[in-house]
Amino acid sequence: DAGVIQSPRHEVTEMGQEVTLRCKPISGHNSLFWYRQTMMRGLELLIYFNNNVPIDDSGMPEDRFSAKMPNASFSTLKIQPSEPRDSAVYFCASRRGGNEQFFGPGTRLTVL
Amino acid sequence: EDQVTQSPEALRLQEGESSSLNCSYTVSGLRGLFWYRQDPGKGPEFLFTLYSAGEEKEKERLKATLTKKESFLHITAPKPEDSATYLCAVQKRNSGGYQKVTFGIGTKLQVIP
Repeated sequence: DAGVIQSPRHEVTEMGQEVTLRCKPISGHNSLFWYRQTMMRGLELLIYFNNNVPIDDSGMPEDRFSAKMPNASFSTLKIQPSEPRDSAVYFCASRRGGNEQFFGPGTRLTVL
Repeated sequence: EDQVTQSPEALRLQEGESSSLNCSYTVSGLRGLFWYRQDPGKGPEFLFTLYSAGEEKEKERLKATLTKKESFLHITAPKPEDSATYLCAVQKRNSGGYQKVTFGIGTKLQVIP
């Protein structure tokens, strides 16, 4: 198995631009998570999908952030408009049942 | 609110110098406690799951233990390749089926040759 796939691996954009991050979970996993990691706050859960349905989006910072999971093999996290304080590493993780999560390599986002 | 506190924040060891990392947690109804390893520029990599107090898991030079309030990751005779950030996470038992996972900030381990 290829593991969780994320793209792009690095994104540099200017303030105000739209950013879309993509994730392909491990086949057969029914849960998907989006996290944001910073030095100060560590790993923060943004949103959790179960069977493609958003279950908990309480971690989404504000309306500028949105996430979709149109099918079991694809999810997107969109930031519009982006701001410098959104700069972080964004991870996608997937899980089967209630077991451990498997993380992707992350997308390093820099907003200038 | 669920809380996970890891200590120390950073640890520097000489090769072969055994030590322990601590993860203290507060959660109403623990379903599982996870340990992950994270290398620079990579996503966290799963190491262990512990479910109940008294449980122990081992993998090479690492051994994880669990009590009702904390977990320890013991590193025996570490090697430079054990250098990484070690993350602890707790999964809450939830009757509604949603099992939220809360991560600690991590302990950055450096093993010097």
